[in-house]
Amino acid sequence: QQQVKQSPQSLIVQKGGISIINCAYENTAFDYFPWYQQFPGKGPALLIAIRPDVSEKKEGRFTISFNKSAKQFSLHIMDSQPGDSATYFCAASSSSNYQLIWGAGTKLIIKP
Amino acid sequence: DGGITQSPKYLFRKEGQNVTLSCEQNLNHDAMYWYRQDPGQGLRLIYYSQIVNDFQKGDIAEGYSVSREKKESFPLTVTSAQKNPTAFYLCASSFILGQGTYEQYFGPGTRLTVT
Repeated sequence: QQQVKQSPQSLIVQKGGISIINCAYENTAFDYFPWYQQFPGKGPALLIAIRPDVSEKKEGRFTISFNKSAKQFSLHIMDSQPGDSATYFCAASSSSNYQLIWGAGTKLIIKP
Repeated sequence: DGGITQSPKYLFRKEGQNVTLSCEQNLNHDAMYWYRQDPGQGLRLIYYSQIVNDFQKGDIAEGYSVSREKKESFPLTVTSAQKNPTAFYLCASSFILGQGTYEQYFGPGTRLTVT
């Protein structure tokens, strides 16, 4: 119940295309869903996060879509650029337990 | 300039030796974490601490030890009992009180190689 399942494991997208990464969870107590971006040899950094009171959050080219009934959330990267090539992690936590439960990560490659 | 520092960036040790990885934060965060990351893998929690002088085991604590004598510092010791210590080690910190975002801020990592 504590797991967050992330897919796909790797993704190749042409420059200018849309990258979509999906995550699913079981624990209905989760109320915070962040996405982290990690470049090789660096620590992850928060990219964008959402709470379940909204179905979508957009920041620049990055959008989180949240489906509470399906217990799924996804990251969309519009107009994907080579600089977006990185590993992306979804995560989840609840107010009663501040720890983040991490997805396994998606390695995204944007082809020029 | 606030953030998390980890040192050293690269560390080489011989098998059988204990090694301590440093993690310092000046973000006034309550909680600190140690994660291990293997090539192409996700983040696995080793230990975490909510307050000074208290810490809890994560999912893969065997062969590791930590201390939290100061709020700002959370060093990780990789002992000789850790069977496969070569990995990328990440330290993180976060707030824990109230309806916070629980955003975890990460350090730059230490790449440990044991031969």
